[in-house]
Amino acid sequence: KAGVTQTPRYLIKTRGQQVTLSCSPISGHRSVSWYQQTPGQGLQFLFEYFSETQRNKGNFPGRFSGRQFSNSRSEMNVSTLELGDSALYLCASSSGTSSNQPQHFGDGTRLSIL
Amino acid sequence: AQKVTQAQTEISVVEKEDVTLDCVYETRDTTYYLFWYKQPPSGELVFLIRRNSFDEQNEISGRYSWNFQKSTSSFNFTITASQVVDSAVYFCALSEASSARQLTFGSGTQLTVLP
Repeated sequence: KAGVTQTPRYLIKTRGQQVTLSCSPISGHRSVSWYQQTPGQGLQFLFEYFSETQRNKGNFPGRFSGRQFSNSRSEMNVSTLELGDSALYLCASSSGTSSNQPQHFGDGTRLSIL
Repeated sequence: AQKVTQAQTEISVVEKEDVTLDCVYETRDTTYYLFWYKQPPSGELVFLIRRNSFDEQNEISGRYSWNFQKSTSSFNFTITASQVVDSAVYFCALSEASSARQLTFGSGTQLTVLP
């Protein structure tokens, strides 16, 4: 069974640009969550999508947005990039039908802002 | 608000030693779920175990064991006879039933197992 796939693995952008990250969940999983990992703030929840609807959102500015498609694939967009957006962005999927189902993570996209 | 504390930032042991990683959590929910994840240098978070708030039974899986104690709000993780391949960052995480799949992570413990 294929795991969670995130593309691209690495990305370099400059301040002010925008970026789109992609996540393909495990087959059959309908919930996709996004997390940001930085050395200073650790792992922080961004948002969660289930059946194309955002179900939960963390405490991030509106520059961070996402969406989910009918095949459960998800994209995350960050506009007007800032130096502080440099991070490892992790996507996780789960069945989404029960709160206690573990989330399975991808390898992440490492975003560097110059 | 929920919170997870992993007081041990870094631990270094020699191969074959036992090591315990501590995790203390805070939550107001009566139904919650606790998790441990391993993050090797490649970056992927690998799921290790889930425990429900109403199930305090300890669990053993090979060299890994977990001790869940609601009375002290702790969910500690022990690796017996550690190996070099166990070197990684280990995260404890909490999700509340009221916030579904939002995981709150601890700051992680970097475990280094020396040969």
